[in-house]
Amino acid sequence: NAGVTQTPKFRVLKTGQSMTLLCAQDMNHEYMYWYRQDPGMGLRLIHYSVGEGTTAKGEVPDGYNVSRLKKQNFLLGLESAAPSQTSVYFCAVKRNYGYTFGSGTRLTVV
Amino acid sequence: QQPVQSPQAVILREGEDAVINCSSSKALYSVHWYRQKHGEAPVFLMILLKGGEQKGHEKISASFNEKKQQSSLYLTASQLSYSGTYFCGTEPPNFGNEKLTFGTGTRLTIIP
Repeated sequence: NAGVTQTPKFRVLKTGQSMTLLCAQDMNHEYMYWYRQDPGMGLRLIHYSVGEGTTAKGEVPDGYNVSRLKKQNFLLGLESAAPSQTSVYFCAVKRNYGYTFGSGTRLTVV
Repeated sequence: QQPVQSPQAVILREGEDAVINCSSSKALYSVHWYRQKHGEAPVFLMILLKGGEQKGHEKISASFNEKKQQSSLYLTASQLSYSGTYFCGTEPPNFGNEKLTFGTGTRLTIIP
């Protein structure tokens, strides 16, 4: 997963708490994505960005916000965490061909 | 709308062949294939573009039928290292707003 770094790798939140997940790329690609992965449901797109200063909604955006203030960084925020947001979150960067994924963040909301 | 993958799971003996299918209800520009091992991130295998040829490397290849909006991944003479969950990702012809929609995955288990 060289080139895409996600922090943190693990986190446990209480219902109602907030947090921010960081995705950083050391390349210079325009497109960045946040996916969540739940058992049996594959990867579902939360939000994405086609360049610095832009964001757009994916399939499951409710309860999340994002920002892309710098080209290298794409932040995913949970304002008020809910148990339904327990999942593994992956950031991805679109290269010339194919996506490179970060190593993931395992989030548990209790 | 997610593409549909089949089968959902398959168990093979080492050396056997497998085919994984991916079908979409929408027009496609490209199809991607990824493999994910347990506890790891998905890893890109190959991309098939509209109008492109069948792609492949080593004993893994894929085809893309644009008219039927379907793609198939072929694993020949499977090795233990091929075990994992395979995902197809589909991209519509919507330039400037590219995003992949993934299928729910096919779990492949290779046994010695």
